[in-house]
Amino acid sequence: GAGVSQSPSNKVTEKGKDVELRCDPISGHTALYWYRQSLGQGLEFLIYFQGNSAPDKSGLPSDRFSAERTGGSVSTLTIQRTQQEDSAVYLCASSFQGQGGYEQYFGPGTRLTVT
Amino acid sequence: GENVEQHPSTLSVQEGDSAVIKCTYSDSASNYFPWYKQELGKRPQLIIDIRSNVGEKKDQRIAVTLNKTAKHFSLHITETQPEDSAVYFCAASIDSNYQLIWGAGTKLIIKP
Repeated sequence: GAGVSQSPSNKVTEKGKDVELRCDPISGHTALYWYRQSLGQGLEFLIYFQGNSAPDKSGLPSDRFSAERTGGSVSTLTIQRTQQEDSAVYLCASSFQGQGGYEQYFGPGTRLTVT
Repeated sequence: GENVEQHPSTLSVQEGDSAVIKCTYSDSASNYFPWYKQELGKRPQLIIDIRSNVGEKKDQRIAVTLNKTAKHFSLHITETQPEDSAVYFCAASIDSNYQLIWGAGTKLIIKP
């Protein structure tokens, strides 16, 4: 079946502009995660959605970052007034949370470059 | 909260030799420990996981061991091959919240 998809795959934007990154999780997966990965670095947790519960926003680095998940499916990560330090690959993952584990399936990522 | 430390940050081994990557965790309530592999330019993918009710799990050339008392777990890769070159991430989680706390990653280099 279809995996996690993200769009766009690449985004180049000027400093100060807003950007929206989209994630389509695997159908039926109740949990959705956003991560940021700078070049050669690890996975920086940003935000976690679980079903209808309030999202865990503890990883968002500043109030310029926000995310929504509509209808328990598609999610959009918005970065306002982008800065050069926002340049990174933004990864989305989804998982089905039930007995037997909760493997996170990652999307291909969106490479964001802020010039 | 939970904290996961991973060592080494870079590991270089001769092709055919074994590689071991170690992680420690801080929260004794953690009960799920997956390992993900991220090849260059690709997305992370689960390669093996272990739950706290077992001490070791094997899948062909890879194995994971867990020491609950010491709160550490390790990834073992035997007979390493060029395709094992990648960054490996460990993680820990508690079933009740389904969030993974990630290690910083280990870059494994297989020398021909």
